[in-house]
Amino acid sequence: DAKTTQPNSMESNEEEPVHLPCNHSTISGTDYIHWYRQLPSQGPEYVIHGLTSNVNNRMASLAIAEDRKSSTLILHRATLRDAAVYYCILRDSTGNQFYFGTGTSLTVIP
Amino acid sequence: SAVISQKPSRDICQRGTSLTIQCQVDSQVTMMFWYRQQPGQSLTLIATANQGSEATYESGFVIDKFPISRPNLTFSTLTVSNMSPEDSSIYLCSARQGNTGELFFGEGSRLTVL
Repeated sequence: DAKTTQPNSMESNEEEPVHLPCNHSTISGTDYIHWYRQLPSQGPEYVIHGLTSNVNNRMASLAIAEDRKSSTLILHRATLRDAAVYYCILRDSTGNQFYFGTGTSLTVIP
Repeated sequence: SAVISQKPSRDICQRGTSLTIQCQVDSQVTMMFWYRQQPGQSLTLIATANQGSEATYESGFVIDKFPISRPNLTFSTLTVSNMSPEDSSIYLCSARQGNTGELFFGEGSRLTVL
C-alpha cells in the first residue's frame, strides 16, 4: 500500500478552522483517500473519504489536490471534542485492508 | 452503521497464559479485522478474520501466537497465546459492511501482562 506522511502534531484554537495536511506522492489511480480519527481511550472512527473530487460531510471537508499527491482534512470550526489523533490512509479499491500510519495529534486550545 | 462490542474491555494476565478476546457485531458484516495498538503508537493490522476459513495474517504475526476464529458473519475471537509483557497492548476489532469505505471499530481490549 502507498504510504502517507503527516505532521506528528498540530495545535488549533477553539472555534477556528483547522487544516490537517497529508502527503501521498506515490498514490495510484485506484487508491481512495480515507481519514479516521481516534479520540482518547476509544477506537478509531470514520471521518471522511474521497477519490478525486472534494468531499463534504457533517464532520469535515476533504480537499484533494488536482494531482492527488496530497490532501487536506478541514475541520471548519474546531471544538475541544475534536482533540484526537487524525489518520490519513490510502486504500486500493481492490483491497480490503486499512493500514494506519503515524497520524497527526491535534490539540485544541480553549 | 455497525456497533462493535468487545470483551473483555481490559484484563491483567500472567506471563505464559493465554487470553481470548471476543468481538460481536450488531449486524452482518463482510470483513472483520484485528489490530494491535501498543502504548503511544498507531494501529498495526494483525490479520483479516475470514468466515469459515483460516485467517489471513500480516507479516510478523502467526497463527500459533494469535489464533483467530470467525464462525459466522457477526462474531470473531482473537486469542493471544503464551503471553509475555511485550504483548501488553490494546487489541481492537474492526469490521466493514459490503464494499463501503467505512471501517467500524470496537472500543478495544486493553491487556496488561505481568
